[in-house]
Amino acid sequence: QLQLQESGPGLVKPSETLSLTCTVSGGSISSSSYYWGWIRQPPGKGLEWIGSIYYSGSTYYNPSLKSRVTISVDTSKNQFSLKLSSVTAADTAVYYCARLSIVDDNYGMDVWGQGTTVTVSS
Amino acid sequence: DIQMTQSPSSLSASVGDRVTITCRASQGIRNDLGWYQQKPGKAPKRLIYAASSLQSGVPSRFSGSGSGTEFTLTISSLQPEDFATYYCLQHNSYPFTFGGGTKVEIK
Repeated sequence: QLQLQESGPGLVKPSETLSLTCTVSGGSISSSSYYWGWIRQPPGKGLEWIGSIYYSGSTYYNPSLKSRVTISVDTSKNQFSLKLSSVTAADTAVYYCARLSIVDDNYGMDVWGQGTTVTVSS
Repeated sequence: DIQMTQSPSSLSASVGDRVTITCRASQGIRNDLGWYQQKPGKAPKRLIYAASSLQSGVPSRFSGSGSGTEFTLTISSLQPEDFATYYCLQHNSYPFTFGGGTKVEIK
């Protein structure tokens, strides 16, 4: 059964770079049927899609964050990563990684990690 | 960007009630929509994909309908474990966008 697990620092200082990794187990990140994505949720608020990546390295980013976001993939480790630069308190959130299925009869974000809380504070 | 307007933002209902939640897209998205349930402290869980297909393992009291710009999630008979927040998500075009959420509370 496919599982995703986020990892990274829970506390980041303002103006620094937030770095998270999602480890995929129970399946290959190199499958042609999936993209891999990041979503975040500020405390008490709704969900925001950050971006997605294919195993080849092709990416899509939310324009609202594009200037600060980099998503990368490491197929040898079955991981993908998120970097968000110049963070402020507004970037405090639970960050989720998820699988985006691009198979016709199952399109969408179908498997999610449990989420990791990142607080931006000095 | 495609805006997803979800309503109501919250509702109070009793066990056994029929509940309907609506999402309206700012432009047509075919049936490129999923519905998610989120409980406090947990990750969202997909209930419905392709607007009306039931995710494997999800109870049949959940159903989805719609296409184009109007979509609904219906819970035919609300159960205690269904009290949660529900979100729609469009994946027709980037950037993907979520509805604002509907919190279903106990009356």
